[in-house]
Amino acid sequence: RKEVEQDPGPFNVPEGATVAFNCTYSNSASQSFFWYRQDCRKEPKLLMSVYSSGNEDGRFTAQLNRASQYISLLIRDSKLSDSATYLCVVNANDMRFGAGTRLTVKP
Amino acid sequence: NAGVTQTPKFQVLKTGQSMTLQCAQDMNHNSMYWYRQDPGMGLRLIYYSASEGTTDKGEVPNGYNVSRLNKREFSLRLESAAPSQTSVYFCASTNTGLQERQYFGPGTRLLVL
Repeated sequence: RKEVEQDPGPFNVPEGATVAFNCTYSNSASQSFFWYRQDCRKEPKLLMSVYSSGNEDGRFTAQLNRASQYISLLIRDSKLSDSATYLCVVNANDMRFGAGTRLTVKP
Repeated sequence: NAGVTQTPKFQVLKTGQSMTLQCAQDMNHNSMYWYRQDPGMGLRLIYYSASEGTTDKGEVPNGYNVSRLNKREFSLRLESAAPSQTSVYFCASTNTGLQERQYFGPGTRLLVL
């Protein structure tokens, strides 16, 4: 079983849609959590950290459920520019990356 | 600031050849990392250096060596390349460790024939 699991997608949604990505992790000792965004053939870039109380940054909302070892990312009012692969990242003793969920937002 | 830079951007090797991937950061970060990214696998940590003068193995270190030349530079060496090492290699850095966001270089695409 992978340490960090994500639905690979692809998710194809129209502009303006709301889309949610899920991620589960296996190491209960994990301490910090992140969502990274990776554009095609580019390096990953931090989208947002994920805090226990949940956090929001504009159209993006991240949630953490430690009991269920589950992280989510919600994107509201999707834009064409949101098309990318979203990586769930979990840190225990080292950073473990999910394989990513690919999102395509269409006009 | 250039951030994290990597050279080369692309490389084709024959099985058994050696090469060194270079990485440098100008953010005065203490920690540096090398990852490989393969389809369907996510990024996997090869080696990391928590501070100048130290290096440690990550998840997939076999077939690689690293050198933390100074605070800015962290190189990855393939002594005898194998087709299984065909991948995209990313270097990253952080200031104090894994609790912080990582800044990634643009990547090196390596094909081993």
